[in-house]
Amino acid sequence: GAGVSQSPSNKVTEKGKDVELRCDPISGHTALYWYRQSLGQGLEFLIYFQGNSAPDKSGLPSDRFSAERTGGSVSTLTIQRTQQEDSAVYLCASSGGTSIYEQYFGPGTRLTVT
Amino acid sequence: KQEVTQIPAALSVPEGENLVLNCSFTDSAIYNLQWFRQDPGKGLTSLLLIQSSQREQTSGRLNASLDKSSGRSTLYIAASQPGDSATYLCAVTTSGTYKYIFGTGTRLKVLA
Repeated sequence: GAGVSQSPSNKVTEKGKDVELRCDPISGHTALYWYRQSLGQGLEFLIYFQGNSAPDKSGLPSDRFSAERTGGSVSTLTIQRTQQEDSAVYLCASSGGTSIYEQYFGPGTRLTVT
Repeated sequence: KQEVTQIPAALSVPEGENLVLNCSFTDSAIYNLQWFRQDPGKGLTSLLLIQSSQREQTSGRLNASLDKSSGRSTLYIAASQPGDSATYLCAVTTSGTYKYIFGTGTRLKVLA
């Protein structure tokens, strides 16, 4: 009965470096979401995966952001050439269990770009 | 564009009080509304999910209601406890999409 897990829990990187954030959804959940929580913007949607359908990327803030979901399970969010404004907590959620619409969130990855 | 607002932004109450948190949204064509709590430095914990065809949901001391036509939801917390201290967030999905639009949150402090 494990929940959504994310790694790393904290990441400090230098401006201009690339980072990868990982999300392991709840087993059997078909939908996976990435959100970003920053002080000035609140919680905002980034990207959504549902099964084998094309992902909804409408929330990605720039082309430096990308995400993939391999085998319908684990997802990786990649930020290239990080900027200081990318500093935030990145939250992953999954849904598709008994209550197919209810989203369950992981603990987040706190990213700090120096 | 859907906008979600929560009032009040912060609330401090003595232990034992019943309280109401408010969430309003501008586009009434919502699919789901979900209430979460967030403890400092932690992720979000799901409290209650209300689907568009439902009017309310209850779990323990929590009751959430939904009035789509007026664009409002309320979260009622009975007999508040210090352990209820957290930030409470509401989020809605608009018909045709499953991504959540989050409210601004209400930071609740229950004093012992």
